Amino acid sequence: TQLLEQSPQFLSIQEGENLTVYCNSSSVFSSLQWYRQEPGEGPVLLVTVVTGGEVKKLKRLTFQFGDARKDSSLHITAAQPGDTGLYLCAGARARGSNYKLTFGKGTLLTVNP
Amino acid sequence: NAGVMQNPRHLVRRRGQEARLRCSPMKGHSHVYWYRQLPEEGLKFMVYLQKENIIDESGMPKERFSAEFPKEGPSILRIQQVVRGDSAAYFCASSSDGNTEAFFGQGTRLTVV
Repeated sequence: TQLLEQSPQFLSIQEGENLTVYCNSSSVFSSLQWYRQEPGEGPVLLVTVVTGGEVKKLKRLTFQFGDARKDSSLHITAAQPGDTGLYLCAGARARGSNYKLTFGKGTLLTVNP
Repeated sequence: NAGVMQNPRHLVRRRGQEARLRCSPMKGHSHVYWYRQLPEEGLKFMVYLQKENIIDESGMPKERFSAEFPKEGPSILRIQQVVRGDSAAYFCASSSDGNTEAFFGQGTRLTVV
């Protein structure tokens, strides 16, 4: 059973476009993290969201945690080729268990110049 | 580089051989986690260790897999009698405690031939 569903699975856009990727679950998470992974590398943490409804911004990236803490979205404004990568969401099911993350399969984003 | 260090980056083993994967956590981190990323799958939690202790091994296969984090030296993930299905990327992460954000290494890509 895949607890975290990410959509779309693949996304190819032109430089300068905006995009949103989604991370959905029927389960509640105490926190949710977004990572970016490049080919041959490990995941790099972008942000952690903890509170339902929370919105965090990281330059051109905006992360939102759903009110019920079951879903999250990542919005990128004016995408650049350097944004290309696999975007992973990962949730911790209970406080004190942030080490035991449940990962989605990711959205593979390609930004074409 | 003060990040999580994993070696080797690539490992090729014949069926039936043993694979040893090493992970040195970030400086000051005493909590280590191992995850496995199978082709077309998301990262899956395997085991959580502190120095000389296994805290949670609920994600470890029951046979052939073991992990340790000795008082001195890196954490080791050992796979005995490897089979083709063990081919995957194995990632190590570390944190300062079990409830703070973890940082991932670059991974070891194991290929069983």
